[in-house]
Amino acid sequence: DQQVKQNSPSLSVQEGRISILNCDYTNSMFDYFLWYKKYPAEGPTFLISISSIKDKNEDGRFTVFLNKSAKHLSLHIVPSQPGDSAVYFCAASGRNSGNTPLVFGKGTRLSVIA
Amino acid sequence: DSGVTQTPKHLITATGQRVTLRCSPRSGDLSVYWYQQSLDQGLQFLIQYYNGEERAKGNILERFSAQQFPDLHSELNLSSLELGDSALYFCASSEGQGPSNYGYTFGSGTRLTVV
Repeated sequence: DQQVKQNSPSLSVQEGRISILNCDYTNSMFDYFLWYKKYPAEGPTFLISISSIKDKNEDGRFTVFLNKSAKHLSLHIVPSQPGDSAVYFCAASGRNSGNTPLVFGKGTRLSVIA
Repeated sequence: DSGVTQTPKHLITATGQRVTLRCSPRSGDLSVYWYQQSLDQGLQFLIQYYNGEERAKGNILERFSAQQFPDLHSELNLSSLELGDSALYFCASSEGQGPSNYGYTFGSGTRLTVV
């Protein structure tokens, strides 16, 4: 049973426009959420995170929104750039539940078209 | 360079064989995590070690085992290999027993191909 779901395997966006990547989770014990970015032949790298006590966190062009009641988070990239083309993974952990290991979604492949 | 070193980068072996994947965590990190990424799958958590002790176990097969040594490097042993074990195996590390504010630091992975 997937606890973290990314229902869109791929997304194409034009350069300069907004990219919105979505993630849903089922486990109510999750209280810390992260987005990772992965290029081919490299390991995932941390992008941005959000604690369950917040509903928004912003870092430059990247913003993560958390809707706890819907168990949904999204990553917004504005403006999108060709270098953003990568696979994006959503991950979740229960930091207040014994620091459970990160659970990952299957990823969304973002293609930013120039 | 993330600071997490995985060797080898690529491994091709036959069914039924045994292989060992190696991971050196980032300096100062006490936790090591192993994840498996199969085709079209997300990263599946296998096992975590913290300061030499097993801390958490995920969907790790009985044919797989791991350990963390006193110098904190870790090895993942995969035996009686099957075609379905072909995957990318990632090692990650963190300073404490759980994710930091930045989660984990990942290595670049070992691509295992079983033929």
